[in-house]
Amino acid sequence: AQSVSQHNHHVILSEAASLELGCNYSYGGTVNLFWYVQYPGQHLQLLLKYFSGDPLVKGIKGFEAEFIKSKFSFNLRKPSVQWSDTAEYFCAVDNQAGTALIFGKGTTLSVSS
Amino acid sequence: GAVVSQHPSRVICKSGTSVKIECRSLDFQATTMFWYRQFPKQSLMLMATSNEGSKATYEQGVEKDKFLINHASLTLSTLTVTSAHPEDSSFYICSARTGENNYGYTFGSGTRLTVV
Repeated sequence: AQSVSQHNHHVILSEAASLELGCNYSYGGTVNLFWYVQYPGQHLQLLLKYFSGDPLVKGIKGFEAEFIKSKFSFNLRKPSVQWSDTAEYFCAVDNQAGTALIFGKGTTLSVSS
Repeated sequence: GAVVSQHPSRVICKSGTSVKIECRSLDFQATTMFWYRQFPKQSLMLMATSNEGSKATYEQGVEKDKFLINHASLTLSTLTVTSAHPEDSSFYICSARTGENNYGYTFGSGTRLTVV
């Protein structure tokens, strides 16, 4: 069965600090990878996704993620966070067979101004 | 872009009653929708996959008789929590897959269910 691990439960940063959130997945086949953000009181929004091609994926709001197949990882990065990035971040995978997204436990990011 | 509308956003019901949550795809047809449950400060747990015109596929550990899913049209899926109990209190989110090759998932805004 697929599973997704997010290593950081709660990350606290100051504005302008760099961010990296870890994500590893477990699945024997080919997967598609996603990062979602959930701002307080709002629904999930897609930050970026990886299907194939360049393993460095750029998303919205200055986020990017790198797919490292050998490490089964898809870490999310942002060079300089803002207070408005305070939110819950979820890594998710599906197995390209049309099944549903499987989510990691999420990482709470708190950015202080 | 594709929009999924979920209703109601909040509901409080008495223990033993049933609650229906609706999930509509507003500008596209969704042959498949997904229902998730999210506990506070936790991840989204997939409950079931809803297929238009056929029975839903439930994840292991999810009681199909308690969480009734109906996907009677290409734009509407419903989740009915039957004989609700306080432990069913949670945040329920629906999702639909959109697009073909470069597909994505669109999420509803969720329903906060409180059973008292």
